[in-house]
Amino acid sequence: DVQLVQSGGGLVQPGGSLRLSCAASGLTVSGDYMSWVRQAPGKGLEWVSVIWTAGSTYYTASVQGRFTISRDNPKNTLYLQMNSLRVEDTAVYYCARDLTGSYAFDIWGQGTMVTVSS
Amino acid sequence: QSALTQPRSLSGSPGQSVTISCTGTSSDVGGYNSVSWYQHHPGKAPKLMIYNVGRRPSGVPDRFSGSKSGNTASLTISGLQAEDEADYYCCSHAGAFTGLFGGGTRLTVL
Repeated sequence: DVQLVQSGGGLVQPGGSLRLSCAASGLTVSGDYMSWVRQAPGKGLEWVSVIWTAGSTYYTASVQGRFTISRDNPKNTLYLQMNSLRVEDTAVYYCARDLTGSYAFDIWGQGTMVTVSS
Repeated sequence: QSALTQPRSLSGSPGQSVTISCTGTSSDVGGYNSVSWYQHHPGKAPKLMIYNVGRRPSGVPDRFSGSKSGNTASLTISGLQAEDEADYYCCSHAGAFTGLFGGGTRLTVL
């Protein structure tokens, strides 16, 4: 079975840090384009970041310089390191596999809630 | 960057057809054949319904179809069924190796 299992998340104060994990089975995180997508409460989906098979990384403007996407190939796990967190980063975060490298997300993690609040 | 523009809500009766639009610019929807559509039931992970404008992943019924004209992409659902009631989102390559989602459309099956 192809699946992504997420962990991490929780409650953190503004300015704090958190790391999300996304463990893959049935696919190789280094062999696919992998992204993070989030959904703030009552809002729509928002693309956050991508890591290419070659290792290049890209971010939406609002998280550039604060978030870092990475992967551990032996562990077959994708990460999102989130620093300098803001209240507006509160959301359910999903990891996702991009089927074609053109923002076609066919495999999704179960989602994990991140709450930034004092 | 602003979200792609979708109608906030739409409704239809069982058996009818509905079309959800997704309007962007020449820098995103109009500039790439990389538009995808997702069905999202609250509390669950989104599901890919259409990719590369009009391609269907295996397992998605052929009642779902996608197209694009200029800066506007469309998702058409024919033969509407009760289980189609969900939120629908479009997504496009937005240049500079970034992605951009639409604001979402809540589809109600009457």
